[in-house]
Amino acid sequence: ILNVEQSPQSLHVQEGDSTNFTCSFPSSNFYALHWYRWETAKSPEALFVMTLNGDEKKKGRISATLNTKEGYSYLYIKGSQPEDSATYLCAFSNDYKLSFGAGTTVTVRA
Amino acid sequence: SAVISQKPSRDICQRGTSLTIQCQVDSQVTMMFWYRQQPGQSLTLIATANQGSEATYESGFVIDKFPISRPNLTFSTLTVSNMSPEDSSIYLCSVRMDEGGYGYTFGSGTRLTVV
Repeated sequence: ILNVEQSPQSLHVQEGDSTNFTCSFPSSNFYALHWYRWETAKSPEALFVMTLNGDEKKKGRISATLNTKEGYSYLYIKGSQPEDSATYLCAFSNDYKLSFGAGTTVTVRA
Repeated sequence: SAVISQKPSRDICQRGTSLTIQCQVDSQVTMMFWYRQQPGQSLTLIATANQGSEATYESGFVIDKFPISRPNLTFSTLTVSNMSPEDSSIYLCSVRMDEGGYGYTFGSGTRLTVV
């Protein structure tokens, strides 16, 4: 079992504010780091897959960075909107299997 | 990317009974996975469903408790057998879209409550 940790477990953000949270993972035998957005009763939605140290990916107001040497990734949400409320999961893979963190649940208050 | 239809979306079951969850994919995929998320916990891989052979189970999961079928490259079932309240979880199926690639698609999940 690979230890993937996400912090914080939950956070509340005022609409319009920016926020970020972390995912830490084993730095050895790295293959890829995935970020998913998961809303209740829906499928987890793939946000990013990052494979190279120093990778930065962006999708609208959401972006992510990757440091494979120290084993962490940040997810940033700029100008949070109520529709950003969801649980954000990161997952580490060193082959075809994904090991997930417990998620960061973001609640955006209007 | 593939579209996965997972059924049922939720169920409430009596302890000691069994529930079978189905996942139908709209295209042929080699690798299919079953996950569980217990309350407050991470999504945890139960097993990899192999077409034409037995599933490969992760540590802590056994075939007698979670029998899996994979009759073809578009369909799989997971049965949760002899249920207890500890089996109350969200169960998700997932497929890997390309050999050696990074893309995974998930079903919408089955929320199971055992009473």
